[in-house]
Amino acid sequence: AQSVTQPDIHITVSEGASLELRCNYSYGATPYLFWYVQSPGQGLQLLLKYFSGDTLVQGIKGFEAEFKRSQSSFNLRKPSVHWSDAAEYFCAVAPGGSYIPTFGRGTSLIVHP
Amino acid sequence: EAGVAQSPRYKIIEKRQSVAFWCNPISGHATLYWYQQILGQGPKLLIQFQNNGVVDDSQLPKDRFSAERLKGVDSTLKIQPAKLEDSAVYLCASSGGLAGGYNEQFFGPGTRLTVL
Repeated sequence: AQSVTQPDIHITVSEGASLELRCNYSYGATPYLFWYVQSPGQGLQLLLKYFSGDTLVQGIKGFEAEFKRSQSSFNLRKPSVHWSDAAEYFCAVAPGGSYIPTFGRGTSLIVHP
Repeated sequence: EAGVAQSPRYKIIEKRQSVAFWCNPISGHATLYWYQQILGQGPKLLIQFQNNGVVDDSQLPKDRFSAERLKGVDSTLKIQPAKLEDSAVYLCASSGGLAGGYNEQFFGPGTRLTVL
């Protein structure tokens, strides 16, 4: 079965600084990969997804992620963080052929002014 | 376009009581999902409906949890009797479009359940 690891429970950055959230997956083949954001009191929102092709994926709100097969990673990046980006971020993986994601435990992003 | 609606937003019950959550998906979405999100964890799929039929309920604790989507639109998730470990946020999501292809899931705000 597939699994996903988000090694950082909390990440703190200053507003305007760059951000990278780590995600590693375990799956025999190339899975489908997702990043979601969950703001307080709101449901999850899809930031971006990777199925195949270009390994650098652009998403909404200025986020991007890079699929690295050799490292089994799908890290999320943003060049300049805004205070409104403070939220919980979830990496998720689904086996090829199924689009139902299995979620990691999440990384809480704290943004300092 | 209205999003996925869930009610109630919060519920506090005593253990061994029963509770029900309601979800109304985005209009026209054939697929509906219920997830359980325990504090400090990612959401875990409990059950998936396609119209009014169950596609996957392998993770649903059927001794105490039940769900229905009788008319293929809104859905109810019930817990009877509740245990302390059922304290979690229950998320509903829906997706539309063609079966077999990718259809983005849209999530509701969730119902936060506290079992005392």
